[in-house]
Amino acid sequence: LAKTTQPISMDSYEGQEVNITCSHNNIATNDYITWYQQFPSQGPRFIIQGYKTKVTNEVASLFIPADRKSSTLSLPRVSLSDTAVYYCLVESGETGGFKTIFGAGTRLFVKA
Amino acid sequence: GAVVSQHPSWVICKSGTSVKIECRSLDFQATTMFWYRQFPKQSLMLMATSNEGSKATYEQGVEKDKFLINHASLTLSTLTVTSAHPEDSSFYICSASRLAGLTDTQYFGPGTRLTVL
Repeated sequence: LAKTTQPISMDSYEGQEVNITCSHNNIATNDYITWYQQFPSQGPRFIIQGYKTKVTNEVASLFIPADRKSSTLSLPRVSLSDTAVYYCLVESGETGGFKTIFGAGTRLFVKA
Repeated sequence: GAVVSQHPSWVICKSGTSVKIECRSLDFQATTMFWYRQFPKQSLMLMATSNEGSKATYEQGVEKDKFLINHASLTLSTLTVTSAHPEDSSFYICSASRLAGLTDTQYFGPGTRLTVL
């Protein structure tokens, strides 16, 4: 399984764009990259998933370079409510099912 | 769509008792369900993976006789913590996926806070 590495924490201010980069050097061909957001005492919430190039939805963008060894989650114009832990996951398909290993995550603090 | 619920949301029990936590996929059929444990300020740790109608696959270091997992239907999985001890106090989170053997988004439940006195 591909291990992920993210910054432990990041600070930002309201209205700024935040980019969180994740490295996954040994990602496999069939692996997808998924980002989740977690607030205290809640289950993780799906943000975005991608395989290569760029994916955009209503809340974020995900940039994946051609070698797929890293990915960057971009949150446009963050607000105080975006303060949370963000997890980058490489989700692998395996025979009989797949498994997901969470890394340490990035604690994002958004200040007023 | 893709809502996962857990019951109870929190539970307090005495040491030595057993506690059952339910995980339900409310609007989809979950071929695969996962159980995680999360200690304060730490990341989620995968405990086991279960496919409907099959025995759960436990991660290394997770005692299968202590953490009993049943995935009897496509919408329900249960985790029973047997003979709970204070060190089992944690936040237990389940997730569900519609597909097995393929990459699919996991939909997470809200979690269950277990406190063992």
